[in-house]
Amino acid sequence: GAGVSQSPSNKVTEKGKDVELRCDPISGHTALYWYRQSLGQGLEFLIYFQGNSAPDKSGLPSDRFSAERTGGSVSTLTIQRTQQEDSAVYLCASSLLKSDTQYFGPGTRLTVL
Amino acid sequence: KNEVEQSPQNLTAQEGEFITINCSYSVGISALHWLQQHPGGGIVSLFMLSSGKKKHGRLIATINIQEKHSSLHITASHPRDSAVYICAVRSGGNEKLTFGTGTRLTIIP
Repeated sequence: GAGVSQSPSNKVTEKGKDVELRCDPISGHTALYWYRQSLGQGLEFLIYFQGNSAPDKSGLPSDRFSAERTGGSVSTLTIQRTQQEDSAVYLCASSLLKSDTQYFGPGTRLTVL
Repeated sequence: KNEVEQSPQNLTAQEGEFITINCSYSVGISALHWLQQHPGGGIVSLFMLSSGKKKHGRLIATINIQEKHSSLHITASHPRDSAVYICAVRSGGNEKLTFGTGTRLTIIP
């Protein structure tokens, strides 16, 4: 079956522009996670969605970052007024239930010039 | 001090050797994950455990809750095991994972 997919795979943008990153989780998975992996740094949690519950936004680094999950499926991570320090690989993962094994997408590599 | 510490940071071994990667954490946890990241970036979840030991093929993961320590073992290592291995913990009653900085493993034929 299809795994987690993300688009685009690569995104190059200019400082100050807005970007949208998309995640398609595995069908039927109720939990969806966004992470960021910066060059030379480890993975960091950004946001978590579970069903119809309010998302856990505790990892978002600033109010320029937001995310939504429509219809309990596809999720979009939006970064407004991008900065060079936003350059990273943004990873999405989904799991069937919360606290379950997570399945990771291939990531979107964002480069802010 | 990071909440999650891994050792070693880098490990090079000959094919066939027994490999051990360690993870120590400083907070109470509800679960610990071991992840594998291959060159090119894809991440695969290897284990999720909260107690005892789990085995999958040549991989074994153990956890000691009292000592706040987990180990990932690879038996009969093979060049295809070359990857970065990442430990992550879930704590605080929420779903947030806190990650270690990873161990880069290189297996030489």
